[in-house]
Parts: sequence; C-alpha cells; structure tokens
Amino acid sequence: ETGVTQTPRHLVMGMTNKKSLKCEQHLGHNAMYWYKQSAKKPLELMFVYSLEERVENNSVPSRFSPECPNSSHLFLHLHTLQPEDSALYLCASSPRGLAKNIQYFGAGTRLSVL
Amino acid sequence: DQQVKQNSPSLSVQEGRISILNCDYTNSMFDYFLWYKKYPAEGPTFLISISSIKDKNEDGRFTVFLNKSAKHLSLHIVPSQPGDSAVYFCAADQQGGSEKLVFGKGTKLTVNP
Repeated sequence: ETGVTQTPRHLVMGMTNKKSLKCEQHLGHNAMYWYKQSAKKPLELMFVYSLEERVENNSVPSRFSPECPNSSHLFLHLHTLQPEDSALYLCASSPRGLAKNIQYFGAGTRLSVL
Repeated sequence: DQQVKQNSPSLSVQEGRISILNCDYTNSMFDYFLWYKKYPAEGPTFLISISSIKDKNEDGRFTVFLNKSAKHLSLHIVPSQPGDSAVYFCAADQQGGSEKLVFGKGTKLTVNP
C-alpha cells in the first residue's frame, strides 16, 4: 500500500454531473491538501486541512467542495464543473507540527470535463 | 504573480554528465526550499531540501545550492542517469512553517543514454 492513494485515477464527467475524488493516506499524517495542476502552470494549492479542520481555502469556486471526515481521508466533491476545470488533481499529506513542510503526494486524478 | 520561477521548461543532458536545474524566487520570506521529482502518471516525490541557514545540501548524486542574495537555488545531479529523466519542481515554504508550499512550473529533464 503506497503512502497516499487517490481514486479514481481518471475521471470524465459532463458539466451537469456530480462526482467525488477520494484521497487516503497511510502515513499517520495530520494535514492533507488538494492541489490542481493545469497544463503549463504551477501546482495550485486549493485546500488545506489540518487535524480535520479546513485551514486554507485558496479562493476556490464553490463548485469544488472538500470534506475531511478524519485525518486519513480527504474528499473533493465536484458539481457543475466547467471545461476549464479539466486538470490533474493531486492530494498530499504532511506531518503538521514539524518546523518544515515536506508534503507527500498521491498519483493524482486526471479529470476531464466535457 | 509567480513567486517561484523555473525559467527553463526543459533540459537535455548526456548520461554521466552534470544536470543543473535552476529556480528563482521573489519572496524574501521564504526560508525553506524543496525539490520534487515527478514521473509521468505518478505524483511528485520529495527529493531534497535546504534551509536558508545553509547554502548547500548534498544527498548522494543530488546537491542543492542556495544563493540568498540572488534569491536563486539550483539542483545539481552528478552523474546524470537515464532514470533521472522526469519533471523537477522547485518549491518554497515561508518562515514559521506554514502549510503552504509555493511551486514553480517545473523543468523537464531528459537524460540521454
């Protein structure tokens, strides 16, 4: 079992669909993150959860809704997305509380919005 | 406004030679820098880091150099191997260890046999 697991790996959805991305970490970390990676752009931080509380919402549209039911699981609920939301969505975790922030990433979900 | 810049989208080197990947930053509040490596269809993996109190950190074939006055860091890979072919991301963290890492766009390294 790898450290951070994301499902599904690929997702195609229409603009009226509702879907969810799942992330699970097996590292005992207590901070989790959602990132978006679009072509030719840096990784963009979307949300940060620390000890299951959202501590960062980086001006993300409300059509993206995160959920962190416990320190090992993180979801990203998607609804009425736009074609420009097509991207690679990466989940990461880190042992918050240490002085330096080394984040461990999952393999990502490649999302295509038609 | 990009705070972390990797101005070379790609780099090609011969096996056995040195690879030098560069990164510039604009925010003087950054005090910790990381390099990640990403293979296709995988997530980024942590490679090496450096604190602003140092100017060099070495781990095997990988060395990161930090020039604070120039707000510049570089990753040296010696000797380069074909398995090093990947996209390399530079990232920076602010003082106090915030949860926010700021990433560059990445440099695609190709090491030719």
